Amino acid sequence: GQQVMQIPQYQHVQEGEDFTTYCNSSTTLSNIQWYKQRPGGHPVFLIQLVKSGEVKKQKRLTFQFGEAKKNSSLHITATQTTDVGTYFCAGSPTGANNLFFGTGTRLTVIP
Amino acid sequence: NAGVMQNPRHLVRRRGQEARLRCSPMKGHSHVYWYRQLPEEGLKFMVYLQKENIIDESGMPKERFSAEFPKEGPSILRIQQVVRGDSAAYFCASSPFTAGRGGEAFFGQGTRLTVV
Repeated sequence: GQQVMQIPQYQHVQEGEDFTTYCNSSTTLSNIQWYKQRPGGHPVFLIQLVKSGEVKKQKRLTFQFGEAKKNSSLHITATQTTDVGTYFCAGSPTGANNLFFGTGTRLTVIP
Repeated sequence: NAGVMQNPRHLVRRRGQEARLRCSPMKGHSHVYWYRQLPEEGLKFMVYLQKENIIDESGMPKERFSAEFPKEGPSILRIQQVVRGDSAAYFCASSPFTAGRGGEAFFGQGTRLTVV
């Protein structure tokens, strides 16, 4: 069945350090979405990537969709305590209309 | 435009009882997804529905679990004869388009189910 894995599962960084999470799908995706879930909260949409090799930036966040449309990454530059939370990628397999979430990366930022 | 509304926010049930979780999607959204999340874990897909139709229920246990999204009213996730292992947060998300067309999913606050 469809699997979307993320690494690492957990990441602790000092405030100001960079952070990257990687997302890998077992199948080709028509698009990839990224969500953030704060502790005790619900997932909130961050961005969507559609094209092969696409790169998008949101302030300190950089999102990339792989050439084969099977992997993606989220990079945060100079983390802040407000970045704390779990980051999920979510993909829709090509030809399907469902949305499968990755296993998530939980980010802790140490002040 | 109200967001996705889930109720109740917290639900306590004794083993063997029924749990009924409700989700009202955002106005104009006809696609609803249900996910289950255990503490410290990811979002496990359960079921994807469009109005009056179940599109994909591959993530839902074959027994005791059912879902519906009627023409009028909220989507309902029903768990019969609950067991302790059903304790989890259940999130509903709605979208104006299918995920394959790039529909962003808007999540509700979730229902925290505790089975005692």
